[in-house]
Amino acid sequence: GENVEQHPSTLSVQEGDSAVIKCTYSDSASNYFPWYKQELGKGPQLIIDIRSNVGEKKDQRIAVTLNKTAKHFSLHITETQPEDSAVYFCAASKGSNYQLIWGAGTKLIIKP
Amino acid sequence: DTEVTQTPKHLVMGMTNKKSLKCEQHMGHRAMYWYKQKAKKPPELMFVYSYEKLSINESVPSRFSPECPNSSLLNLHLHALQPEDSALYLCASSQDLPGNTEAFFGQGTRLTVV
Repeated sequence: GENVEQHPSTLSVQEGDSAVIKCTYSDSASNYFPWYKQELGKGPQLIIDIRSNVGEKKDQRIAVTLNKTAKHFSLHITETQPEDSAVYFCAASKGSNYQLIWGAGTKLIIKP
Repeated sequence: DTEVTQTPKHLVMGMTNKKSLKCEQHMGHRAMYWYKQKAKKPPELMFVYSYEKLSINESVPSRFSPECPNSSLLNLHLHALQPEDSALYLCASSQDLPGNTEAFFGQGTRLTVV
């Protein structure tokens, strides 16, 4: 079955610097790749997603890139701020009749 | 209103108790879910309801019993739980099934089984 690997498990960056989190997936039929942010004491919240017909998507300081050949996708956060501190999960799916397969999560720490 | 509301926020129950978790959404979403999340782990899917019918049961033990009274409400009935069932229980909803669209999560119920 589908497997999603996520790295690193913990990432510590200086405020204002960029952060990159990487995920790889195993099933080439996967076509939907969301990223969720989970703050302490809250449920996950979608921050950005990308579909397989697009190579890159941007939303202000957040961007996601997808390399279908290599089967990996990455989350890029620029100009990091203290409120970016959270756990970030990537996920992959083959479509609406399939479940999301989640990565293990990355704890992002923004140092002041 | 893009909220999924879960009650209670915290619950402590004994192994012989019966309790229920409740979830409500008013976004007109067709799919609703229960997830279980252990510390430092991703959410783990338990049940999916689509159009008020149970469409996915991820081999969850029968001590967990879901119920969807109407399109806005989702319950999870708990009975004879074990200490290892202690976790954060998350409810979510989405317009379409989750493999294709954003899922909106509630804040969760922190369950402790003693």
